[in-house]
Amino acid sequence: ETGVTQSPTHLIKTRGQQVTLRCSSQSGHNTVSWYQQALGQGPQFIFQYYREEENGRGNFPPRFSGLQFPNYSSELNVNALELDDSALYLCASSLEGMNTEAFFGQGTRLTVV
Amino acid sequence: AQSVTQLDSQVPVFEEAPVELRCNYSSSVSVYLFWYVQYPNQGLQLLLKYLSGSTLVESINGFEAEFNKSQTSFHLRKPSVHISDTAEYFCAVTPSGFQKLVFGTGTRLLVSP
Repeated sequence: ETGVTQSPTHLIKTRGQQVTLRCSSQSGHNTVSWYQQALGQGPQFIFQYYREEENGRGNFPPRFSGLQFPNYSSELNVNALELDDSALYLCASSLEGMNTEAFFGQGTRLTVV
Repeated sequence: AQSVTQLDSQVPVFEEAPVELRCNYSSSVSVYLFWYVQYPNQGLQLLLKYLSGSTLVESINGFEAEFNKSQTSFHLRKPSVHISDTAEYFCAVTPSGFQKLVFGTGTRLLVSP
């Protein structure tokens, strides 16, 4: 049974650019959630995908978008990057849209300069 | 809406001493409660969870937490800490069966010899 894997582990982008982060969910999990963790803060919910459909969204602007593929892997896309987007982006997978057992990946550290 | 308060941003303690990390939550509906641990430059690992039933839940590495509905608390305790317990600890809440985790700002546990 494989865990949640995220790529890349680190990324440096310039303000205004676009970025795509990737997540492979744990085997058997059909739900992926994305969180943003700014330095010194707790993770903040961005959105969740369940069976390829968005299943809830936090307080993030539309330039944060996502996809889920038939194999339940997922992408997080951020357009028009701002300096405040610098954070650790965490992906979590779970079963059937519920958070009774959410497993997190190691995260992608995004730095916007 | 749900919210989580972790009053202590940092808790220093000596090895083999007991520790309590405090967590209070706010919610108008029934919730699930979680403690996650984050080691430096890593993602989140589930430490323990309360879904229903016994209000005292335990982890495999000696931590325990007690759900107190009247005080809306879910404090984390360990009778004797180790150096290896040094990490950031996050309390989280989710409405029963819903999709997003709401995290506190975290408590850094610093265990010294």
